[in-house]
Amino acid sequence: GENVEQHPSTLSVQEGDSAVIKCTYSDSASNYFPWYKQELGKGPQLIIDIRSNVGEKKDQRIAVTLNKTAKHFSLHITETQPEDSAVYFCASNFGNEKLTFGTGTRLTIIP
Amino acid sequence: EAGVAQSPRYKIIEKRQSVAFWCNPISGHATLYWYQQILGQGPKLLIQFQNNGVVDDSQLPKDRFSAERLKGVDSTLKIQPAKLEDSAVYLCASSLGQGSTEAFFGQGTRLTVV
Repeated sequence: GENVEQHPSTLSVQEGDSAVIKCTYSDSASNYFPWYKQELGKGPQLIIDIRSNVGEKKDQRIAVTLNKTAKHFSLHITETQPEDSAVYFCASNFGNEKLTFGTGTRLTIIP
Repeated sequence: EAGVAQSPRYKIIEKRQSVAFWCNPISGHATLYWYQQILGQGPKLLIQFQNNGVVDDSQLPKDRFSAERLKGVDSTLKIQPAKLEDSAVYLCASSLGQGSTEAFFGQGTRLTVV
């Protein structure tokens, strides 16, 4: 069935250091992989996404990499700042418009 | 550009009561989703609309949950009767549709069933 695994569930990094969150998916038909940031009391906010025809995408301090062969993709945040503290979710569309989400990573930036 | 609007923000009801949530998607977005997010988990899809038609409702507990999008714009999600395990945040999202998968979420409605 449709499954997205996400690790780690919690992550604490010193301000200024990098953070990496990893996800694996089960269906080789998946072709769209977004990452969402969810702050307390708010809905998920799309921060970056990647499609299966691209191996890497970068937007300022945020980057996403995709390994189609291994069926995993990762979120990289460099030069972390306190406002990066939130819960991050990966997702995959499994070849259609329906997104299946990972279980989330609570990222804490330590000042 | 206005985002996805949801109301109410919070709702507390007793078990066996009914409740309804409302969503107004981003203008021009053909696809509308309702997700359930239980505390500490990722969002889980309940139902997906394309315009006013249901695309996927395989995860919707149809004995108690119902949803409609009569005019292809606003949508309502109803629970009747509510159970304790329905306590969650109900998120509405929308996308352009027609193969576009970028989904944008509203702030959600936090439901507490006591």
